[in-house]
Amino acid sequence: SQQGEEDPQALSIQEGENATMNCSYKTSINNLQWYRQNSGRGLVHLILIRSNEREKHSGRLRVTLDTSKKSSSLLITASRAADTASYFCATVWSGAGSYQLTFGKGTKLSVIP
Amino acid sequence: DGGITQSPKYLFRKEGQNVTLSCEQNLNHDAMYWYRQDPGQGLRLIYYSQIVNDFQKGDIAEGYSVSREKKESFPLTVTSAQKNPTAFYLCASSSVGRVSGNTIYFGEGSWLTVV
Repeated sequence: SQQGEEDPQALSIQEGENATMNCSYKTSINNLQWYRQNSGRGLVHLILIRSNEREKHSGRLRVTLDTSKKSSSLLITASRAADTASYFCATVWSGAGSYQLTFGKGTKLSVIP
Repeated sequence: DGGITQSPKYLFRKEGQNVTLSCEQNLNHDAMYWYRQDPGQGLRLIYYSQIVNDFQKGDIAEGYSVSREKKESFPLTVTSAQKNPTAFYLCASSSVGRVSGNTIYFGEGSWLTVV
């Protein structure tokens, strides 16, 4: 399995601070995606980074990908209380007629006002 | 509005009963998925379908069944053979073909509780 593993499992920060979450995986990927889940809700796509990209930005989000280390990080800058949620990485692999999308267990982020 | 609709939001099942969770999408996506999420855990794939009339088992398919008779619909039946069905169930869809750009879109989930 190439399941992503997020680290840390839980993170608590003050509003205005930056939050960094990491994701490690085991095998080759086509792309890696980050999702957000508010409690009891569905997941919402945040950002996708392809295997040939090293960094990507979207608003207050910055994602990096290091394929040599098989790891990715999600940075949320200037956090807000509304950023409180669980964040999941998902790895995508496709080849030989197969397609796999695998989620990690997530990082639970709490932003304290 | 375009999106994925799951129903019901909350469902209670008696021991020995089969229940069916509905999932409908109007995004014209070829691929659809069912995931199970237990409290504080990640998502585990139950079944997925990349085309009408075809579906594949995921990591935890035992005790579940699906059908894909229409492109927009992918219902999940939780059978009595599933011994621990209490969980949050998420349906999702994506386009297939442009692999590098596949984003997964999720419904709002269905809570299933065994009583």
